[in-house]
Amino acid sequence: GEKVEQHESTLSVREGDSAVINCTYTDTASSYFPWYKQEAGKGLHFVIDIRSNVDRKQSQRLIVLLDKKAKRFSLHITATQPEDSAIYFCAASMWTDKVVFGTGTRLQVSP
Amino acid sequence: NAGVIQTPRHKVTGKGQEATLWCEPISGHSAVFWYRQTIVQGLEFLTYFRNQAPIDDSGMPKERFSAQMPNQSHSTLKIQSTQPQDSAVYLCASSPGGANERLFFGHGTKLSVL
Repeated sequence: GEKVEQHESTLSVREGDSAVINCTYTDTASSYFPWYKQEAGKGLHFVIDIRSNVDRKQSQRLIVLLDKKAKRFSLHITATQPEDSAIYFCAASMWTDKVVFGTGTRLQVSP
Repeated sequence: NAGVIQTPRHKVTGKGQEATLWCEPISGHSAVFWYRQTIVQGLEFLTYFRNQAPIDDSGMPKERFSAQMPNQSHSTLKIQSTQPQDSAVYLCASSPGGANERLFFGHGTKLSVL
């Protein structure tokens, strides 16, 4: 089955800098790659996603890149703000299969 | 729209007791997922339903865990003979179509087995 590896367990950046979180997956059939954010004591909240028919997607300060050859995808947060501090999870799925999550990256943005 | 509703928010059981967790998906969503979250294991998939039918229960510990979706408005996760290692936050999520769309998560049920 699909396995998703999230490479950074923690990440600390200064406010205004960019943050990059990297994930890899194993199953070439995976076609949907969402990202979720979890703030302290709360449930997961969707932030952005990318499908396998494109290699880049941007939503305001969030950019997702997908490299299907390398089976790698990444979340770039530009101009970070303190409210970006949270745990970020990457995930991968196919239409017919479950959503598999990475282990999470704790992002700390300091003023 | 109230989002995905999970009840109770917290549940404390004694070892060997039964625990039933409830999930009300967003109206109109056809897929419901259950996950378990712990510090050590992270987010573990348990099971998922589409149009109330069980699609994949590969993550369910077979002997003591069971899940049902008797109607489109709620799903239950039952744990029999709870053990301390069952202590976790159990998350329910729903999506409009299935695993290829964004999931909407509830706040979770924190289960503590003493």
